[in-house]
Amino acid sequence: AQKITQTQPGMFVQEKEAVTLDCTYDTSDQSYGLFWYKQPSSGEMIFLIYQGSYDEQNATEGRYSLNFQKARKSANLVISASQLGDSAMYFCAMSPGGAGSYQLTFGKGTKLSVIP
Amino acid sequence: NAGVTQTPKFQVLKTGQSMTLQCAQDMNHEYMSWYRQDPGMGLRLIHYSVGAGITDQGEVPNGYNVSRSTTEDFPLRLLSAAPSQTSVYFCASRLTLAKNIQYFGAGTRLSVL
Repeated sequence: AQKITQTQPGMFVQEKEAVTLDCTYDTSDQSYGLFWYKQPSSGEMIFLIYQGSYDEQNATEGRYSLNFQKARKSANLVISASQLGDSAMYFCAMSPGGAGSYQLTFGKGTKLSVIP
Repeated sequence: NAGVTQTPKFQVLKTGQSMTLQCAQDMNHEYMSWYRQDPGMGLRLIHYSVGAGITDQGEVPNGYNVSRSTTEDFPLRLLSAAPSQTSVYFCASRLTLAKNIQYFGAGTRLSVL
């Protein structure tokens, strides 16, 4: 079974500052994928970034980067130069690796508030 | 660029009523799924489909039925709604087989009284 833990129910960050959202995971699989999704107040789920367990480089997508520490089983999301539009819920998720993998297991989320 | 479209956006039901939540995607994705989101929790998988005519249960399937007659559509049926099914429902579809990156619809907020 897979488990995702997000220990920060809420976070505040000053506009233009960087912020790190924590995510730890537990799995016995050797191959897996890690994901971050953003859910603004409007409710939709927006895919942000993906990291494969065998990827040697940390994933980056614009202002988003994933700090992947495999030995510590952590997959923290780093948002650089925060903007007011970054205020939202952020969910970490994981999936078993391989072509037959379908289910995403989600954490409970972190609510990020960006302060002007 | 419709992506994944869910209807309705909001619905109120009485206990025991039935209804179907609609989900359609125009990206020719083979894989589609339904999740529910309850307060203070992440999303949990209800049912999924790997292609037309093929469906399977996820983590919380009880009280829900699905079918997949076409690649584009994946409706979720509540046969006899219960207050415990009050939730926000998300439909998702997947493009890349290897990475399991799923793209979500805007959600349906369902209240069962």
